[in-house]
Amino acid sequence: GEQVEQRPPHLSVREGDSAIIICTYTDSATAYFSWYKQEAGAGLQLLMSVLSNVDRKEEQGLTVLLNKKDKRLSLNLTAAHPGDSAVYFCAVSENYNQGKLIFGQGTKLSIKP
Amino acid sequence: DPKIIQKPKYLVAVTGSEKILICEQYLGHNAMYWYRQSAKKPLEFMFSYSYQKLMDNQTASSRFQPQSSKKNHLDLQITALKPDDSATYFCASSQDGLGGREQYFGPGTRLTVL
Repeated sequence: GEQVEQRPPHLSVREGDSAIIICTYTDSATAYFSWYKQEAGAGLQLLMSVLSNVDRKEEQGLTVLLNKKDKRLSLNLTAAHPGDSAVYFCAVSENYNQGKLIFGQGTKLSIKP
Repeated sequence: DPKIIQKPKYLVAVTGSEKILICEQYLGHNAMYWYRQSAKKPLEFMFSYSYQKLMDNQTASSRFQPQSSKKNHLDLQITALKPDDSATYFCASSQDGLGGREQYFGPGTRLTVL
């Protein structure tokens, strides 16, 4: 079945710098890709999602890139600020019609002043 | 106002007991899900329901039983609790019955089994 690897597990960047988190997946039929943010003690907040026919999507300082050839999904946060400190998860769905999300292991992002 | 309500927020149980985790969503969604997050494993899919019907069950144990009394409710009954069941359980929902797209998560119920 589908396997998702996320890296790095921990990431520390200075305020104003950019941060990049990467996920790789194994199933070329994977159809749906998303990123979530989890603040301490809270649930998961959906940040962005793309379908497999999209290579790039930008919204509010976030950029999602999808490289289907390399089976790689990335999240780029530009101009990080303290409110971005959280754990970030990628989540993919093997099939467009299937509800099951498969999550990466998470990246704990810390923003240094 | 919270759109997905999970109750209780924290739950402590003794080994062998039974508990029910409550989930209600007010997003008008047709599909609902349960996921589990523990210290040992990444977020794991457990169940999906669409229009109150079970669509997918990835939980090996029959001790976990979802219950959907209303379209916007999906509770999770756990019997014969074990310490390994200690985790945070998240309920989620999505717009259409096909699922997969844009799942929104509740705040979670943190279960501790002693």
